[in-house]
Amino acid sequence: EAGVAQSPRYKIIEKRQSVAFWCNPISGHATLYWYQQILGQGPKLLIQFQNNGVVDDSQLPKDRFSAERLKGVDSTLKIQPAKLEDSAVYLCASSLDRSTGELFFGEGSRLTVL
Amino acid sequence: GQQLNQSPQSMFIQEGEDVSMNCTSSSIFNTWLWYKQDPGEGPVLLIALYKAGELTSNGRLTAQFGITRKDSFLNISASIPSDVGIYFCAGRPGSNYQLIWGAGTKLIIKP
Repeated sequence: EAGVAQSPRYKIIEKRQSVAFWCNPISGHATLYWYQQILGQGPKLLIQFQNNGVVDDSQLPKDRFSAERLKGVDSTLKIQPAKLEDSAVYLCASSLDRSTGELFFGEGSRLTVL
Repeated sequence: GQQLNQSPQSMFIQEGEDVSMNCTSSSIFNTWLWYKQDPGEGPVLLIALYKAGELTSNGRLTAQFGITRKDSFLNISASIPSDVGIYFCAGRPGSNYQLIWGAGTKLIIKP
């Protein structure tokens, strides 16, 4: 069974530029999560989708971050414009449904903002 | 907001030693999970716990859901080099709540 796929693995941009990350969850998983992980910290939830609907985006900085999961399968997270403090690993995870806390994570996309 | 206190922050151990780490919350949880993260990878689920007092093993790993429902423990017996990594606890008060994550315990094996 294929795992959660993410791309790109690494991205370096200058502040005020934009960046997009892509995630393809495990087939059949209805719930998709985007987490931000700053070095030395645990993951912080940015947004949770159930199929193509947003369940929770309370911690998403909506002035600069956006995410979509239009067809209820893969998802894109965008940052525009990026700030220095956005340097982090962006982790995508999926689960069969929202009732379980058993998440399957991708390898992450490491963003460096200069 | 709710917080998880995970300790210790890091551990230096000899190969073959047993390891213990724990997590405490400020409120009652109905789910506790333990994940491991290797460098450059995403976290991987090790053990999930759903009932107070539950004790679950996964190979050399054993985790317990505390009776008070405010804590959980992870033990690793006879550590080996591949146990190196960061262990995260995560929990939540109910299925309609988001997971709350600890800051992680970094396990380092002394050469």
